[in-house]
Amino acid sequence: DGGITQSPKYLFRKEGQNVTLSCEQNLNHDAMYWYRQDPGQGLRLIYYSQIVNDFQKGDIAEGYSVSREKKESFPLTVTSAQKNPTAFYLCASSIGGQRDQPQHFGDGTRLSIL
Amino acid sequence: GQNIDQPTEMTATEGAIVQINCTYQTSGFNGLFWYQQHAGEAPTFLSYNVLDGLEEKGRFSSFLSRSKGYSYLLLKELQMKDSASYLCAVRITDSWGKFQFGAGTQVVVTP
Repeated sequence: DGGITQSPKYLFRKEGQNVTLSCEQNLNHDAMYWYRQDPGQGLRLIYYSQIVNDFQKGDIAEGYSVSREKKESFPLTVTSAQKNPTAFYLCASSIGGQRDQPQHFGDGTRLSIL
Repeated sequence: GQNIDQPTEMTATEGAIVQINCTYQTSGFNGLFWYQQHAGEAPTFLSYNVLDGLEEKGRFSSFLSRSKGYSYLLLKELQMKDSASYLCAVRITDSWGKFQFGAGTQVVVTP
């Protein structure tokens, strides 16, 4: 079955450490996205990519970095510059060029600080 | 800036009807989506509106008025499993790239 796989499900970060969240999709979707969700808040866009080797900052990109070397993969690195990284992180993808196509989401990664 | 407003929480009885409103003020509009999210899980797609009017999908219907910047999601014949957060999202660019989400409405279904 096609879908989006995020790993790990739970992740713990020590102070001053960078951590990378994995996102892989086999839906052949062009666009991929990273969102952060905090309790009682909606999804906030961190980064998105519409095509391989290209990505754009979202609303809260500071302290995060991404790469898009392959169509299937869009890893997110939470750097030590992100001072409040504890949150639920969701990766999504969508078909390109068709405005009625929704985003499909992975099951999320819950990141906590040790 | 972008602004999407939804009520924080709504409570309804099993078998009843609930209407979740969403108002939006965004720099662009290229469609409005509703998602359902159970606690700790991924959002799942429910409905899409880009033209004014009502879209019906089984027990769920969604309405859009672009001139008023307003949408609602109607949940009929509520079931306990409908207890979840419902997210309103607007595609805000001319291309298909960017979405803006509301904070979500927590629906609690009681017996």
